[in-house]
Amino acid sequence: QVQLQESGPGLVTPSETLSLTCGVSGYSLSNDYYWGWVRQPPGKGLEWIGSVYHSGRTFDNPSLRSRVTMSVDMSKNQFSLNLISVTAADTAVFYCAARPSRGGYFDYWGQGILVTVSS
Amino acid sequence: SYVVTQPPSVSVAPGQTARITCGGNNIQRKNIHWYQQKPGQAPVLVVYDDSDRPSGIPERFSGSNSGNTATLTITSVEAGDEADYYCQFWDTSSDPVVFGGGTKLTVL
Repeated sequence: QVQLQESGPGLVTPSETLSLTCGVSGYSLSNDYYWGWVRQPPGKGLEWIGSVYHSGRTFDNPSLRSRVTMSVDMSKNQFSLNLISVTAADTAVFYCAARPSRGGYFDYWGQGILVTVSS
Repeated sequence: SYVVTQPPSVSVAPGQTARITCGGNNIQRKNIHWYQQKPGQAPVLVVYDDSDRPSGIPERFSGSNSGNTATLTITSVEAGDEADYYCQFWDTSSDPVVFGGGTKLTVL
């Protein structure tokens, strides 16, 4: 069974870089899935950040494109998100999620990690 | 960019049928997916590709998509169905992934 687990700091200073990693177990990153990130500010809805394929190809939300980079580490079977120049508005629960390459839906999700941007 | 609209809230009595809509211009041309999210938990896929159910999702959950409205229908609603529900689609022409604003289902 596919399991995803987010890891990273729970507190980030404004203007710094938010860095998260999602470890994948029970499935190889090299298989036919897109590996992505979704965030949810407290009390608000879901916002897609972007997705990355094992080849390194990425799709991202145009509203965040200038601040987002994503990558995969095949040796560790994990993928990562960097969001630069964060502000308090970036405070959210961040989920990693998996989408089959032939489908537009996310059928596997991590449990989520709360990241607070504050000095 | 393409905009989808969900009602903020829907209320239904136990045992009744809940219908949660996701509206957009000619949305029938898109494959719509639905997620259930309970407080403090990650979203769970309950319907994909308009009307298919992942394994383990009860038959009480069904979906349809016609014209300008996609609908998630939950029959014989139970207290445990109380949650936020989000529609979503993937569109390579503009924003690749779009979520609706979510609908809070309250079981009276």
